[in-house]
Amino acid sequence: EAQVTQNPRYLITVTGKKLTVTCSQNMNHEYMSWYRQDPGLGLRQIYYSMNVEVTDKGDVPEGYKVSRKEKRNFPLILESPSPNQTSLYFCATPGGGGSYNEQFFGPGTRLTVL
Amino acid sequence: QQQVKQSPQSLIVQKGGISIINCAYENTAFDYFPWYQQFPGKGPALLIAIRPDVSEKKEGRFTISFNKSAKQFSLHIMDSQPGDSATYFCAAGIQGAQKLVFGQGTRLTINP
Repeated sequence: EAQVTQNPRYLITVTGKKLTVTCSQNMNHEYMSWYRQDPGLGLRQIYYSMNVEVTDKGDVPEGYKVSRKEKRNFPLILESPSPNQTSLYFCATPGGGGSYNEQFFGPGTRLTVL
Repeated sequence: QQQVKQSPQSLIVQKGGISIINCAYENTAFDYFPWYQQFPGKGPALLIAIRPDVSEKKEGRFTISFNKSAKQFSLHIMDSQPGDSATYFCAAGIQGAQKLVFGQGTRLTINP
């Protein structure tokens, strides 16, 4: 079964405490991306990766880092989280249609930064 | 110019009625317009998509209407059911550009 998994699903942390949200896909896809979802703002792309060791900024990259050392994993790193990073985060990869536009989303990670 | 504007922000429809959600875009380079459906606690899932060479696409009770000259597209849900209650996102993208720009989302509630 094609899957995108994220961990943790829920996280409450404090300002400045480094954290990593993991993302893994079993579809052998080259392209992966991270989005954040906020009320009234929709989904906004944070970072994306077109292949191993190839990453680039999306629309809202400030305060985030990513790495892509292997094809299946694309972790999102918040080195010094702040309250404005409280959000719902989604990892995504292209779905079965073969088009990069048909994003297949993971289940989400709800992050609260106090 | 990269924005996609979606309205309304929330919508309540009676069971059996028609739900209509509208989106507008500015970038004429967009050539792919999907709609995503999201249930609570889940990630968004592709519902239906259209390309600008057609004015309408229908899949079951869901229809996308596309007006290229007005740069607008809309989702129509016929015979709306309580199971359709979800958040809906429109989006726009450019084939091969590996990116989607999403609208602000519409929380749809279908009353029984």
